[in-house]
Amino acid sequence: AQTVTQSQPEMSVQEAETVTLSCTYDTSESDYYLFWYKQPPSRQMILVIRQEAYKQQNATENRFSVNFQKAAKSFSLKISDSQLGDAAMYFCAYRSLMEYGNKLVFGAGTILRVKS
Amino acid sequence: GAVVSQHPSRVICKSGTSVKIECRSLDFQATTMFWYRQFPKQSLMLMATSNEGSKATYEQGVEKDKFLINHASLTLSTLTVTSAHPEDSSFYICSAQGRDYGYTFGSGTRLTVV
Repeated sequence: AQTVTQSQPEMSVQEAETVTLSCTYDTSESDYYLFWYKQPPSRQMILVIRQEAYKQQNATENRFSVNFQKAAKSFSLKISDSQLGDAAMYFCAYRSLMEYGNKLVFGAGTILRVKS
Repeated sequence: GAVVSQHPSRVICKSGTSVKIECRSLDFQATTMFWYRQFPKQSLMLMATSNEGSKATYEQGVEKDKFLINHASLTLSTLTVTSAHPEDSSFYICSAQGRDYGYTFGSGTRLTVV
């Protein structure tokens, strides 16, 4: 079974600075999807970014970008020009393309605090 | 974009009673619905997966007779917590997967059993 590990329970960043959240995963599959989700205090899950494993190019969405290292099974999220609204819990997630139901496997999450 | 409406957002019930949580996909057909449970500052724990018209598949350790899931149509899925007890108090979230395989989450339900 696949596992997702987020080794940073909490991170802090100064407003306007850059922060990187780490995520590693374990799988024997060659094709899959990876996601970063944001859960603010409202607890609504918001998709931040998605990466298809077959794509070598790192996904980017405005101030959010990933460093996808397939061989190392690493999928870190970089947030540039951090804003107060970025404060939330961030989850890394894996989705197999093989398993029935295509369920998401979540990491434990990283709480990001943004200091003004 | 795709929206999933989850109701109620908060519910308080007495121990021993049942509570129903609804998730509706408003502008797309949800072929698969996932139900999660989340404790404060913890990750989402998958409880069960349901496909429209089929019985739900429960994760190991989840009591299927306690957490009844119905996915009778492509736009509605319900989770019923039967004979609720204080230990069932938690935050429950649904997630709908449409034909484009994207995931859309409901806004969650905070259940408190007193």
